[in-house]
Amino acid sequence: QKEVEQNSGPLSVPEGAIASLNCTYSDRGSQSFFWYRQYSGKSPELIMSIYSNGDKEDGRFTAQLNKASQYVSLLIRDSQPSDSATYLCAVNVPSGGSYIPTFGRGTSLIVHP
Amino acid sequence: EADIYQTPRYLVIGTGKKITLECSQTMGHDKMYWYQQDPGMELHLIHYSYGVNSTEKGDLSSESTVSRIRTEHFPLTLESARPSHTSQYLCASSGRRGTGASNIQYFGAGTRLSVL
Repeated sequence: QKEVEQNSGPLSVPEGAIASLNCTYSDRGSQSFFWYRQYSGKSPELIMSIYSNGDKEDGRFTAQLNKASQYVSLLIRDSQPSDSATYLCAVNVPSGGSYIPTFGRGTSLIVHP
Repeated sequence: EADIYQTPRYLVIGTGKKITLECSQTMGHDKMYWYQQDPGMELHLIHYSYGVNSTEKGDLSSESTVSRIRTEHFPLTLESARPSHTSQYLCASSGRRGTGASNIQYFGAGTRLSVL
């Protein structure tokens, strides 16, 4: 079992809709959870970080964390074609007294006009 | 905007050559990382460092080596390149030691390596 799981997609939504991206992780000791966006041929860039249970909103983006269920999600409201990219879930997994960043395989999002 | 730089951006070399991929950051970050990513595939951590003279192997077996002699510099070396090393290599850095697990990673633009 991979430590961080994501559905690879593609997830296709119409412009203006809400896109919902999900991620689960296996190590209960994990801390610090991140969503990165990666356009084709580019490097990942941070969209959202979340560290405690609940919701965190930033503009059109909302990250949700449920540690009991080991589940992180990203909601994108009013989706735009420019949101089309791969979204990577990253989790800091405990290892040897420290934390190692571990990425899921990413979910491809397509927002069609 | 993050200040982390990778050179070269693109490299085409022959089998058996020794190469070094450069990565430098000006943010004073203690933590630095190297990832390997094939097109359309996931990121794999191959090396990381949490400070000067500290290096560790990641979860993906790699024939490369790294060094961390200065805080800002984290080069990756392949002693003898092979076609199987063809990939994109991404360098990243994150915050200062002692700040816990909450560090956000900033990525360089990447080096796309092709070994013929």
